[in-house]
Amino acid sequence: NAGVTQTPKFQVLKTGQSMTLQCAQDMNHNSMYWYRQDPGMGLRLIYYSASEGTTDKGEVPNGYNVSRLNKREFSLRLESAAPSQTSVYFCASSRQGFDNQPQHFGDGTRLSIL
Amino acid sequence: AQTVTQSQPEMSVQEAETVTLSCTYDTSESDYYLFWYKQPPSRQMILVIRQEAYKQQNATENRFSVNFQKAAKSFSLKISDSQLGDAAMYFCAYRSAGYGNKLVFGAGTILRVKS
Repeated sequence: NAGVTQTPKFQVLKTGQSMTLQCAQDMNHNSMYWYRQDPGMGLRLIYYSASEGTTDKGEVPNGYNVSRLNKREFSLRLESAAPSQTSVYFCASSRQGFDNQPQHFGDGTRLSIL
Repeated sequence: AQTVTQSQPEMSVQEAETVTLSCTYDTSESDYYLFWYKQPPSRQMILVIRQEAYKQQNATENRFSVNFQKAAKSFSLKISDSQLGDAAMYFCAYRSAGYGNKLVFGAGTILRVKS
């Protein structure tokens, strides 16, 4: 089972470049999430999509946009990358309406902005 | 907004011994869920154990158990018979009940296991 698949796994960008991180899940989950992980700060929610057709801001949405393309796919876009966006990005999914069900995570994308 | 605090940046344990990782959280809600996730060097996020706030009984999964103290807003993880494969970063996470299922994470605790 693939679970949650993120592409790419690594990327280096120059300041000002744009980039889209892709995420797809094959578990028929309603909800999908984007987090960033920085040293000493745990994971912080960037954006989420509780169900197909909806997206909402999380804790740290500035500088990012998202698209819930269909039930399976949820992409994260950096329009003009900044060094402060250097981080590890995780996509996750879960079943909506089953609160004790865990989120399933992808393997992460390590993004460096020079 | 809810917050999660893990006050131990690093912990060490001898193989086969027991270790407890601390987690406290702040919330005004009565219905919520708590989780412990493990992140090994491979970077994967692996669910270790979950606890529903409405359940008084502490959750247990093999060598992993929690001490859930709702009034004290404390949710510690106990690892018994520690193994080398337990070495990882451990995150405590909180989720409100209801729509959205967003997780709020603590900063993490690095667990080192000595042979």
